[in-house]
Amino acid sequence: DVKVTQSSRYLVKRTGEKVFLECVQDMDHENMFWYRQDPGLGLRLIYFSYDVKMKEKGDIPEGYSVSREKKERFSLILESASTNQTSMYLCASSTIGTGNTEAFFGQGTRLTVV
Amino acid sequence: QKEVEQNSGPLSVPEGAIASLNCTYSDRGSQSFFWYRQYSGKSPELIMFIYSNGDKEDGRFTAQLNKASQYVSLLIRDSQPSDSATYLCAVNVDKIIFGKGTRLHILP
Repeated sequence: DVKVTQSSRYLVKRTGEKVFLECVQDMDHENMFWYRQDPGLGLRLIYFSYDVKMKEKGDIPEGYSVSREKKERFSLILESASTNQTSMYLCASSTIGTGNTEAFFGQGTRLTVV
Repeated sequence: QKEVEQNSGPLSVPEGAIASLNCTYSDRGSQSFFWYRQYSGKSPELIMFIYSNGDKEDGRFTAQLNKASQYVSLLIRDSQPSDSATYLCAVNVDKIIFGKGTRLHILP
């Protein structure tokens, strides 16, 4: 059974703090993704990675960075948290190729920046 | 920018009727197409994927893909109150892009 685990379910941070969101998958998937989900805006891709140490910007990378030092782990970093980064953050992983390359999601991290 | 468009709804359907959800996408290079269901406060879960033109059926769900028209749809037959959720269309174009979702409400 595929499992994607995010380090925290709920997180409260102060403005200006550096925030780390961790994600681990156990299916040896090549691709990993970070999304944020806001009411009325849907799931928006922040960054994704298709291999260790490789990363690509998604649609809204500003204010975020990522790290993938090991295949199973993909970290999202908020360099200096701001209130407009209050959101639900979802990590996902998928395999590559044709056919069913579905994204498997973690349980989500609800981040509040005060 | 690659886009996936869905009607936000809410779409209200009587119990037992057919719910029809639609999605269009902008990138002709899109390879695979997915329908996810998301209950409030939960993560999305996959219902169907399709990558060939035509219909694909799985139980009460049918996904339809028309690459020429860049259109993918999901039909839910014999709708149940438990089908009330937000349905997300997703497209794989080397990265997985989601639409904003359609809220479906099944009326008892």
